This record gives sequence, C-alpha cells and structure tokens, in this order.
Amino acid sequence: NAGVMQNPRHLVRRRGQEARLRCSPMKGHSHVYWYRQLPEEGLKFMVYLQKENIIDESGMPKERFSAEFPKEGPSILRIQQVVRGDSAAYFCASSPTGAPRDPEAFFGQGTRLTVV
Amino acid sequence: KNEVEQSPQNLTAQEGEFITINCSYSVGISALHWLQQHPGGGIVSLFMLSSGKKKHGRLIATINIQEKHSSLHITASHPRDSAVYICAVRYMDSNYQLIWGAGTKLIIKP
Repeated sequence: NAGVMQNPRHLVRRRGQEARLRCSPMKGHSHVYWYRQLPEEGLKFMVYLQKENIIDESGMPKERFSAEFPKEGPSILRIQQVVRGDSAAYFCASSPTGAPRDPEAFFGQGTRLTVV
Repeated sequence: KNEVEQSPQNLTAQEGEFITINCSYSVGISALHWLQQHPGGGIVSLFMLSSGKKKHGRLIATINIQEKHSSLHITASHPRDSAVYICAVRYMDSNYQLIWGAGTKLIIKP
C-alpha cells in the first residue's frame, strides 16, 4: 500500500483558509476513494472518483468541499473556508477497478488536517 | 445502532498470547475487510473476505456469512502488532462504499 501517496501528511490551516489534500493512486489504478476519520470516530465515505469523473459524492458535505481526479495528476480534495470541525484525518484509497469483487483497495497514509 | 459492531473495543494482552477480534454486521454484504491502523499512521488493508478463511503469516481471518460474523486472529502476538484493527463491510447493493466498525485498540505488552 506504500504506492498510494498522500500529501501533505500534516496540514495546519487557520479558520477561513483553503485546504488542498492530494492523493496519487497506485500505478494503474483509476479508481479513487476519499474517507474522513473524525477524532474518536470511525472512517466515513466521502467521495468516489474515476479519472475525470465523480461517481458518487454522497458522503461529501454539500458546501465548501469538492474533489477532482483529473486525467493527469493526483486526485485533489479541496476544502474551502475551513472550520474547526473540519479537523480530521483524510484517507485516500485506490483500486484498479470498482467492481464488487475488486481486490482490496490500497490506502494512503492519510493527511491529518488541523484547523486552528 | 452501528451497523458494524466490533468487540472488544480495547484489548491488552501479553506477548505470545492468541488474540481474537470479532466483527458482526446486520445486513447482506458482498465483502468484508480487515484493516490495521497504527498510531498516527495510515491504514493497511489486511484481508478482504467474502467467504471462508484467509491466512497471512500470523494473521487469520474467518467469516460466517449465515451468522453475519467475522473474526480476526493473531497467533504468537508481538508488541509490533499493537494497533487499531478495523472491520469494514461492503453492502450487497453497493460496489464501493464501505461501512466501518469503530475499531479495536490492541496493545501487546512485552
């Protein structure tokens, strides 16, 4: 799973600033999933993307959050005008296909966002 | 009520002990994942199961589809096994969303 690269590992932002979290999937993987882990809580699905397409963003907050996975480059999770409640660990996972019996997704190390 | 229940929430054991972590779920699933999360670190996928049993080194995962229950076992536990172990299930009607358990915090003392 070392192949899924997330950066930065730690990100500190002041309230009102923008946070950009990057995820480079494993080579050959075209499916990316973002999850959020709030303090003392389990992980929650946020969004599922394929190259240039958002497949499901039902777990994304309706405002301030957006995600993209361009044809070239990493997937980006963008949080505008961050608030303290956005402080969490954000994990990215990638897989070669999104089929139901897909081999297990590979996870990145996560980005720990702290809003001060 | 969480749809994925793990037990115990916390487990402390001595090095060498046999460890069992349990996971129960309430609806039909297409797959169940066991993952490991180290303090301050990322997540490692250990197993994905849809039936039966899988073994990797000192780790064994089993699933009973009829009883909607899975167990993760660690043989000859070692302090480096200390981590949070998370069970996650993929529902039958979803090919990507995972529903996560709260995790079991395991501490192995030397």
